[in-house]
Amino acid sequence: AQTVTQSQPEMSVQEAETVTLSCTYDTSESDYYLFWYKQPPSRQMILVIRQEAYKQQNATENRFSVNFQKAAKSFSLKISDSQLGDAAMYFCAYRRAGGTSYGKLTFGQGTILTVHP
Amino acid sequence: EAQVTQNPRYLITVTGKKLTVTCSQNMNHEYMSWYRQDPGLGLRQIYYSMNVEVTDKGDVPEGYKVSRKEKRNFPLILESPSPNQTSLYFCASSPHTSGRARETQYFGPGTRLLVL
Repeated sequence: AQTVTQSQPEMSVQEAETVTLSCTYDTSESDYYLFWYKQPPSRQMILVIRQEAYKQQNATENRFSVNFQKAAKSFSLKISDSQLGDAAMYFCAYRRAGGTSYGKLTFGQGTILTVHP
Repeated sequence: EAQVTQNPRYLITVTGKKLTVTCSQNMNHEYMSWYRQDPGLGLRQIYYSMNVEVTDKGDVPEGYKVSRKEKRNFPLILESPSPNQTSLYFCASSPHTSGRARETQYFGPGTRLLVL
């Protein structure tokens, strides 16, 4: 079974600075997808960034980028120029590609990010 | 507006009293899922559905039932709720298409359930 581990329950960063959130996963599959979701106090789940395992290039979305290390099974999220609105719980998630698994995401435990003004 | 809706948003009930949490999406998505979120455990999948009349168990299905009679609706049923089912519940949907759209799960706003 796949597992996703976020070892940082809480992180903090000063506004305008950079922070990196860690995520490791375990799978025997070679083709899969990885995601970072943001959950603000409203509790809505918002997709931040997505990475296909077969792509070597790290995904980027504006101030958000990932460091995807497939051999190490590591998938960290870097937030640059942090803003107060980035404060939220962040979840790392895994989904196997293909088959009948479209509906299933496996989530990590979450990391609470605090942004200080 | 494309969205996933859940009702109710908040619910307090007592042990053993059957309840249903509704989920509806207006995006014609084939795939729908239910998750529960508990502190320190992240989100865990309860059940998922790949299309009408096709459902399967997720990681924590015990004590829950689902049905998918219509494409847009995917209700979660707790036949005899217990206090360990107190949690925050999310419904999600995604399309059966190629590319980024398929990989994006759209989440509902969540239902906070307290079982006394």
